[in-house]
Amino acid sequence: SQQGEEDPQALSIQEGENATMNCSYKTSINNLQWYRQNSGRGLVHLILIRSNEREKHSGRLRVTLDTSKKSSSLLITASRAADTASYFCATDGDQGAQKLVFGQGTRLTINP
Amino acid sequence: DTGVSQDPRHKITKRGQNVTFRCDPISEHNRLYWYRQTLGQGPEFLTYFQNEAQLEKSRLLSDRFSAERPKGSFSTLEIQRTEQGDSAMYLCASTWGSLDEQFFGPGTRLTVL
Repeated sequence: SQQGEEDPQALSIQEGENATMNCSYKTSINNLQWYRQNSGRGLVHLILIRSNEREKHSGRLRVTLDTSKKSSSLLITASRAADTASYFCATDGDQGAQKLVFGQGTRLTINP
Repeated sequence: DTGVSQDPRHKITKRGQNVTFRCDPISEHNRLYWYRQTLGQGPEFLTYFQNEAQLEKSRLLSDRFSAERPKGSFSTLEIQRTEQGDSAMYLCASTWGSLDEQFFGPGTRLTVL
């Protein structure tokens, strides 16, 4: 079963706008990661945030983590058509677990 | 291209047949993971290896599924007596000894008719 839930399940915006996706999870974690998946392809790692961090930036990506609410958000600024993809959050599940547990993903469409 | 390769990329088979998939991880990575992904869902963990040892298997992995990683290099995932419910994308990922960034292959899409 999936650990997390992403919200919204689908998001459609105009090129140049910002896109925000949210992820909630259920157990204590060591870190939370975000991955991107283009249609029919493998996943590509975007960013990792550790449980003792609250915010992290990488280029046009900004990730926040609120461990008290067991939630994270991914913000993509100045979106581009190439950002069209599915985005997944993944956690290391229960502390000590040696596997990633993925959410159901947010399908992002950037309209030119 | 992440450096992880999977073969074949697509497999169509009839119900009841056996299929085998291969994953070649990044050479210096000691951990190799298999995931299954159905349409509209996130990947679900199946099993993982550290070097040649299979250390954990999901309850999703029925007796019809078996995975190996001889010599701690490439890995194979075999499904015996395939069922229509096995239709999915099978993803392989590798990493070096931690649960930080995982490098995913392009996946093998299985269709069971």
